[in-house]
Amino acid sequence: AQTVTQSQPEMSVQEAETVTLSCTYDTSESDYYLFWYKQPPSRQMILVIRQEAYKQQNATENRFSVNFQKAAKSFSLKISDSQLGDAAMYFCAYYGSSNTGKLIFGQGTTLQVKP
Amino acid sequence: GAVVSQHPSWVICKSGTSVKIECRSLDFQATTMFWYRQFPKQSLMLMATSNEGSKATYEQGVEKDKFLINHASLTLSTLTVTSAHPEDSSFYICSASGRAHEAVPDTQYFGPGTRLTVL
Repeated sequence: AQTVTQSQPEMSVQEAETVTLSCTYDTSESDYYLFWYKQPPSRQMILVIRQEAYKQQNATENRFSVNFQKAAKSFSLKISDSQLGDAAMYFCAYYGSSNTGKLIFGQGTTLQVKP
Repeated sequence: GAVVSQHPSWVICKSGTSVKIECRSLDFQATTMFWYRQFPKQSLMLMATSNEGSKATYEQGVEKDKFLINHASLTLSTLTVTSAHPEDSSFYICSASGRAHEAVPDTQYFGPGTRLTVL
């Protein structure tokens, strides 16, 4: 069975600085997708970034980028120029072809942004 | 694009009553919808998966007679909590995935959630 692990329950970053959130996963599949979702205090889950496993190029979305290491099964999220609005709980998620559409979530990392 | 709405955003009910929560995909056709439950500061726990026109598939440990799911159309799914009790109080979130211009395939888009409080 696939698993997703986020080993950092809490992280903090100074405004305008860069922070990296870690995520590792375990799977025997070769075809899958990885996601980072953000859940601010409003509790609305927001898609931050999506990575297809077959793509070697790391996905980027403005200030958000990932470091996808397929062999190491690592999928970290880098937030550059952190803003107060980035404060949220971040979830790493896995979707595989055998999952019938289900997402497997990590435990989440709470990010605090200090002014 | 790829917007999912959920109604109501919060509800308070008495023990023993039933509560219905609606989940709608506003700008795409949702071939699959998902219902989650989330406790404070914890990850999302999948309750069930539903495909339009077919019965929902429940995760192990989820009572299907208590949490009734109907996916009547490609834009609407409902979760009914029957005979609610205080232990059913929680935050319920729906998500949808589909194939359309606004929705990236194999990606779940989430509703804003419903906070249920059972007195």
